[in-house]
Amino acid sequence: EAGVVQSPRYKIIEKKQPVAFWCNPISGHNTLYWYLQNLGQGPELLIRYENEEAVDDSQLPKDRFSAERLKGVDSTLKIQPAELGDSAVYLCASSERDRGYNEQFFGPGTRLTVL
Amino acid sequence: QKEVEQNSGPLSVPEGAIASLNCTYSDRGSQSFFWYRQYSGKSPELIMSIYSNGDKEDGRFTAQLNKASQYVSLLIRDSQPSDSATYLCAVKTANAGNMLTFGGGTRLMVKP
Repeated sequence: EAGVVQSPRYKIIEKKQPVAFWCNPISGHNTLYWYLQNLGQGPELLIRYENEEAVDDSQLPKDRFSAERLKGVDSTLKIQPAELGDSAVYLCASSERDRGYNEQFFGPGTRLTVL
Repeated sequence: QKEVEQNSGPLSVPEGAIASLNCTYSDRGSQSFFWYRQYSGKSPELIMSIYSNGDKEDGRFTAQLNKASQYVSLLIRDSQPSDSATYLCAVKTANAGNMLTFGGGTRLMVKP
């Protein structure tokens, strides 16, 4: 069974430029998560989707970050404009259905460097 | 106080020894507990989940949960150099919309 797929794996951009990350979850997984991980820290949730609905986006900086999951399968996370402090690893995860017990599986992540 | 706390380490153990990794959490309503292993430059990999008080064993790994003490641990028996990684404790709380909160991780080093 294929795991969570993310692209690109690495991205280097200059500040104020836009950037987008793509994620395809494990087949059949209804719930999709975007996390941000800084060096030496655990992942922090940015947004959670149940099918195509964003059910938890309280941690998403909405002035520059946006996300969509139009058909309830793959998802895109966008930053516009990027700032130096956005340099981090952006992780996508999925689970079958978020009912409190379901396990989350992570993709390989996208390492973003903002110069 | 952080919601999920782990000693950042590094925890150094000799090959063949038992590695003991600890995690405490602040929310008594927490229901599900997970241990992830993260190799340097890689993404977190789920290795154990535990939902009830007591021990849960899977191969060389044992997860222990004590909800009264708000404490969860991971034991790795017969530690191998390939176990050297950062171990992340994650806690899911229903009251927080089932959000998964991660600790900062403990770096484990297993020396040959």
